[in-house]
Amino acid sequence: DAKTTQPPSMDCAEGRAANLPCNHSTISGNEYVYWYRQIHSQGPQYIIHGLKNNETNEMASLIITEDRKSSTLILPHATLRDTAVYYCIVRSYGGSQGNLIFGKGTKLSVKP
Amino acid sequence: EPEVTQTPSHQVTQMGQEVILRCVPISNHLYFYWYRQILGQKVEFLVSFYNNEISEKSEIFDDQFSVERPDGSNFTLKIRSTKLEDSAMYFCASGGAWVANNNEQFFGPGTRLTVL
Repeated sequence: DAKTTQPPSMDCAEGRAANLPCNHSTISGNEYVYWYRQIHSQGPQYIIHGLKNNETNEMASLIITEDRKSSTLILPHATLRDTAVYYCIVRSYGGSQGNLIFGKGTKLSVKP
Repeated sequence: EPEVTQTPSHQVTQMGQEVILRCVPISNHLYFYWYRQILGQKVEFLVSFYNNEISEKSEIFDDQFSVERPDGSNFTLKIRSTKLEDSAMYFCASGGAWVANNNEQFFGPGTRLTVL
């Protein structure tokens, strides 16, 4: 089962920042937080990942709390094309070759 | 940009028939995966494949399922005797070597399997 908890849905106004929360209170020391998204039944797409430091790339920022029990994915300027289901996934390094265990995710609706 | 491709995009079959879903992973990748997503439900892991053998499989991946990498480019999922509940979108994914504790998985567009 997924080790994360996310709100089922969120709305965001176009051009505003979208902040998607995720709880992973049972995360262990060798586990990373990954974010993927799925746009309308397409294949999931990698967004970003982190261990304990905040991370930023061209798509998003990832803020991980100091105790690592929760994180927030930030899309700084959401567009209509960011409407998708966003999955927060806890994944260990090495071991089982890193299978992704998906939960139900958060359905983000970006509105004009 | 390299991408994972899957064929066919949609497969319709009769219950009890065998189907083979095909995937061409990204060329220098080492890790290969199959996932499925029943309509309206979450994406579920089926199997991972590395170094020409299965490295892990889920409870869903029973004896009816098999995977193969018949040549250097294709990665296939075979369902021997399809059941109605096998109707789903099947996603292939591939990943490169682990670098800096990261192994991003790249997903294909999926094959929608409909079992009648």
